[in-house]
Amino acid sequence: DVQLVESGGGLVQPGGSLRLSCVASRFTFSDYGMSWVRQAPGKGLEWVANIKQDGSEKYYVDSVKGRFTISRDNAKNLLYLQMNSLRAEDTAVYYCARLMPEKIDYWGQGTLVTVSS
Amino acid sequence: DIQMTQSPSSVSASVGDRVTITCRASQGISSWLAWYQQKPGKVPKVLIFSASSLQTGAPPRFSGSGSGTDFTLTISNLQPEDFATYYCLQVKGFPWTFGQGTKVEIK
Repeated sequence: DVQLVESGGGLVQPGGSLRLSCVASRFTFSDYGMSWVRQAPGKGLEWVANIKQDGSEKYYVDSVKGRFTISRDNAKNLLYLQMNSLRAEDTAVYYCARLMPEKIDYWGQGTLVTVSS
Repeated sequence: DIQMTQSPSSVSASVGDRVTITCRASQGISSWLAWYQQKPGKVPKVLIFSASSLQTGAPPRFSGSGSGTDFTLTISNLQPEDFATYYCLQVKGFPWTFGQGTKVEIK
């Protein structure tokens, strides 16, 4: 079955940076668009960013534009989320997810990012 | 941006009940809507995509309907394992947006 495993979360101070990684396996990574979705503690789901199969197109929610960058390395089956200028409101579990044209079909287990001094 | 208004925010129901959850889009999204189930501490699972297509492996008691701006998720014959939070997601235009969620609780 599809596997997505995130890493890189942790505690960071406001204004700091963090890079999340997601290693994909058991499917042809380069055939799929990928996404990051987050969920603040006790809150609902929020879509963060998408990247196309070849990395040529990227899309972001307004609240992270200019601060977060989604990228991928198809040779290593890796998805990344570079997060800069972090704010308290970025505190959340961040999920890596696989995209189909009409849905997100598989999710990783998530990695917790806590932004606090 | 396309806003998704989901209702109700919570519903209490009994095993065997029929539960209906709605999502309204702020503009037409055709059938570009999916429904997800999330249990506490667990990862979301897709139930319905393209507004009415049942995801492989999802129980047939889950059904979706609607197009344009108004969508419905129906759970027929509610089972104990269905007590969870449900979200709609529009994938018509960026930014993608989720509804606020509906918590289905045991009456």
